Amino acid sequence: AQKVTQAQTEISVVEKEDVTLDCVYETRDTTYYLFWYKQPPSGELVFLIRRNSFDEQNEISGRYSWNFQKSTSSFNFTITASQVVDSAVYFCALSSGNNDMRFGAGTRLTVKP
Amino acid sequence: KAGVTQTPRYLIKTRGQQVTLSCSPISGHRSVSWYQQTPGQGLQFLFEYFSETQRNKGNFPGRFSGRQFSNSRSEMNVSTLELGDSALYLCASSFRRGVDEQFFGPGTRLTVL
Repeated sequence: AQKVTQAQTEISVVEKEDVTLDCVYETRDTTYYLFWYKQPPSGELVFLIRRNSFDEQNEISGRYSWNFQKSTSSFNFTITASQVVDSAVYFCALSSGNNDMRFGAGTRLTVKP
Repeated sequence: KAGVTQTPRYLIKTRGQQVTLSCSPISGHRSVSWYQQTPGQGLQFLFEYFSETQRNKGNFPGRFSGRQFSNSRSEMNVSTLELGDSALYLCASSFRRGVDEQFFGPGTRLTVL
């Protein structure tokens, strides 16, 4: 069975703080894909990143970075020097084979000025 | 490239009525998935279509149905609406099912009175 767990329901930080959003996944497949999406208050989900199970290299994109560790089945997302515009709900998702894309429950991030 | 479009954006219906929602995927995308999003339940997978065939179905009653046309456009239908069907219905498309990221439309917000 596929499962994605985002244990942090809500996180609140002050602007310029660093924040890490946790994502733990479960799958029996050896080939799978992990994703992060952002859902700002406007409601539309925005794709952020896709990683495949064979590429454990961490990725950095501006203030965003992702840490993929197969040993702990985690795909964590860090925002450095957070900004108010980062306030949103963030979803981690897992996809493999013929299964539907499985989303975590989401983490609501509030960045206060 | 135009993004995923969904119509209508807002709908108000009464209990017992039925509703049809429409989704036009990104050009070239043949995989279309539907999700229901409510504050309490997060993103719940409804169904996925690829090449006009339903490939996966979530745990929803038979009142929820869908289809996909030869041009990859998709519709979902909900019959005998219940108050609990009030939600944001999101459509997403991808190029390769189970592999690529999904791109989401703005959603249809359905209110059942």
